[in-house]
Order: sequence, then structure tokens, then C-alpha cells
Amino acid sequence: EAQVTQNPRYLITVTGKKLTVTCSQNMNHEYMSWYRQDPGLGLRQIYYSMNVEVTDKGDVPEGYKVSRKEKRNFPLILESPSPNQTSLYFCASSLSAFGGYGYTFGSGTRLTVV
Amino acid sequence: QQQVKQSPQSLIVQKGGISIINCAYENTAFDYFPWYQQFPGKGPALLIAIRPDVSEKKEGRFTISFNKSAKQFSLHIMDSQPGDSATYFCAAKRGNTGKLIFGQGTTLQVKP
Repeated sequence: EAQVTQNPRYLITVTGKKLTVTCSQNMNHEYMSWYRQDPGLGLRQIYYSMNVEVTDKGDVPEGYKVSRKEKRNFPLILESPSPNQTSLYFCASSLSAFGGYGYTFGSGTRLTVV
Repeated sequence: QQQVKQSPQSLIVQKGGISIINCAYENTAFDYFPWYQQFPGKGPALLIAIRPDVSEKKEGRFTISFNKSAKQFSLHIMDSQPGDSATYFCAAKRGNTGKLIFGQGTTLQVKP
């Protein structure tokens, strides 16, 4: 089944404790992206990757890191989480950045930072 | 700066009625306009999409109307059903980037 898999689904952590949210897709998609979803703000892009070893900042990159060493994986790293990073996170992939290709989203990771 | 503005924030419709959600954009370079549907506990899923050279696209009960001169587009759900109750997001993308810019979302409730 074609899908984007995120782990974990739920995570509660303490301020300052480094964490990684994993994302993997099995569709050989070139483009991958991380979004955060907050009430009233919709989905805002954190980082994106056009292909392996090519990443760039989205609209809200502060406090996050990413890497794209393999085509299928695009982990999101929070080096020192803070309470304002409490949110619902989605990983998404698309066949290509160019043209009218839709995104396939993962099921989300609900992160709480206390 | 919110480049895609969506309204209303919430919508209640009776079963069998028409649900209408509106979006407005600012950047004339956008050339792909999808709508996503999200159920609780799930990620958004592509519902229907349109390009600006087309004024309307219909798929089943879902129709996108596009007004290029007004920089507005809308989603119409005909014969709305309780199973359509979800959050809907409009979005816009420029062809030379992969970035989708989303509206704020509309929570639709269809009452039986």
C-alpha cells in the first residue's frame, strides 16, 4: 500500500530533550515536506526537500532540523523542544515539486512539550 | 502574511444541502489549486484540484469554481451527507516549487 508513515503518533516530552520524528514513504517520491497544524492557522510548512541531500526552510523553520540522506526518509529533529512547539505535525510527499502533483500525507504526530 | 485566505471557519449544513467554502489568494504566480479533506485523527487527503485555465471542475458531488480575475476559488459540496463532516483546506502552489500554501481550514458539520 502506497503510504507515508510517521512515528510516533503521540509524544509527550519535556523542554530541552532532543527528539526525532521519523517519516518514511514507499512511493519513490522526490519531494517531501513537514507541516505543523495549529488551530486557526491551517498547515504551515516547516522544511521541505526537493530530493536527496536537498533541503530548504519553509515558513516556520525555527527550532527544527531535517535531513534527507535517503529518498524514502525525511526525519524531523527538535534539538531543544520548547512548549511553543506543541502541535500536530504532518509529513507529506509528492512525486515531484513541479507540476500539479498532490501531496500524500502521513497520519500525523501529536507532540506535547511540557 | 497569509497568502491564502479561507472562509468560513466553520459551517453547519443540513443533510442534502449545499456546502460552500471560499478561498482567496494573492499571488498570481499560483498555478495549482487543490482542496484537501481531513477527518479527525487522520492526515489531509487530496479531494479535488484545479488549474487556473479552467473555470470549473466537477468530481461527483464536489465542484471547484475558479475565478481567475477575482483571485478566488470555492468548493461546492452538493447533496451534503453526514459522512462529509470533516475539515476542509484549500491550498495553492506555484509550478516551479513544491510548496503548498494552505488556507486556515473550514470545519464542516452536516446534520442528519
